[in-house]
Amino acid sequence: EPEVTQTPSHQVTQMGQEVILRCVPISNHLYFYWYRQILGQKVEFLVSFYNNEISEKSEIFDDQFSVERPDGSNFTLKIRSTKLEDSAMYFCATKRPAGAGELFFGEGSRLTVL
Amino acid sequence: AQSVTQLGSHVSVSEGALVLLRCNYSSSVPPYLFWYVQYPNQGLQLLLKYTSAATLVKGINGFEAEFKKSETSFHLTKPSAHMSDAAEYFCAVTWGGATNKLIFGTGTLLAVQP
Repeated sequence: EPEVTQTPSHQVTQMGQEVILRCVPISNHLYFYWYRQILGQKVEFLVSFYNNEISEKSEIFDDQFSVERPDGSNFTLKIRSTKLEDSAMYFCATKRPAGAGELFFGEGSRLTVL
Repeated sequence: AQSVTQLGSHVSVSEGALVLLRCNYSSSVPPYLFWYVQYPNQGLQLLLKYTSAATLVKGINGFEAEFKKSETSFHLTKPSAHMSDAAEYFCAVTWGGATNKLIFGTGTLLAVQP
């Protein structure tokens, strides 16, 4: 069964470093999302992406964050200068062209900022 | 503001007992509703979804949920808990729109005692 894949599964970085998290969506899905989950907390919406542009972003998604789909397959989340509070599990999710809003999630990328 | 609330951050049941996890949404417009399960160190897996068809929805692993518009609820139940059901359960809603983003509840950690 097709699934959303994310890399890396775990990344440890120093504060201030740039991080890129990658996601390969299900092939016929057109809507892409990033969510994050700080340890022990709820899953929070970061950004949605459709037709090669951001369609919505939350207040968490500040200028330090960016997303792109550089080659038509990978969907990336970049954090320009990581902060301690960016430590979290980051989930990529995708959605079919049609359908009642069901999102398919990847296994997540755990980011640890030291 | 539109939101979703899960009552009870921790629920403990005995193996074989009924599982009841509560979810309420706040909106006069019924949303699409979902339950996701997260096993330790894993991603989010869809258990079931309500998309304005039948109000009683059956999902995987013997779980079901009933949409009650009058109570703005979508509680998750399972008649008989199994040890393997121990996980965190998230209720999520979307009201559609351009982005179809999901809004998650705070989650309920289910423990199953032998």
